[in-house]
Amino acid sequence: QKEVEQNSGPLSVPEGAIASLNCTYSDRGSQSFFWYRQYSGKSPELIMSIYSNGDKEDGRFTAQLNKASQYVSLLIRDSQPSDSATYLCAVNIDAGNMLTFGGGTRLMVKP
Amino acid sequence: DAGVTQSPTHLIKTRGQQVTLRCSPKSGHDTVSWYQQALGQGPQFIFQYYEEEERQRGNFPDRFSGHQFPNYSSELNVNALLLGDSALYLCASSLADREQFFGPGTRLTVL
Repeated sequence: QKEVEQNSGPLSVPEGAIASLNCTYSDRGSQSFFWYRQYSGKSPELIMSIYSNGDKEDGRFTAQLNKASQYVSLLIRDSQPSDSATYLCAVNIDAGNMLTFGGGTRLMVKP
Repeated sequence: DAGVTQSPTHLIKTRGQQVTLRCSPKSGHDTVSWYQQALGQGPQFIFQYYEEEERQRGNFPDRFSGHQFPNYSSELNVNALLLGDSALYLCASSLADREQFFGPGTRLTVL
């Protein structure tokens, strides 16, 4: 069973702090990794993609990938109450473009 | 530039009935993937269509079928509905194997 694991949370951080979201995956052959944000009652929104080891920054978001440890993370700097949502980690495990999702981590940013 | 659109927004059916959900991909995209998201869980891959053919399929029974039209739009059909089919059905479009962008989803309730 090829899996993607996330802590369901909730992860609670104060406004202005750094939120750190983590994800592990089971298939060493995975090549593509994605973070989606999902507000309650809405559909997932792509916020970051990462394909090679290291860090990738986009505004307040930084994705980190470590293929040797089979670990991908998302850092959100200067967290805002509007960042409160469920963050879904998705991995392209097999050949093709099928995404396998983790269960999501609920983030709460408190003013 | 229109994003991914889905119809209908909400749908209520009874057990044993059949349902058809529709998706129009983002302009310029040629690949459509369908996902099922149960409450509190991450999306699960149903299947993917490219060049009017099913390219990949997840672990879903044959009651779930689909189609892609020459204009790249797609339909998801579910026969013999079960209570457990109640979920948010998400369509995602992409250009070949690149990032997937989700539509707003169709909320299906089976009574």
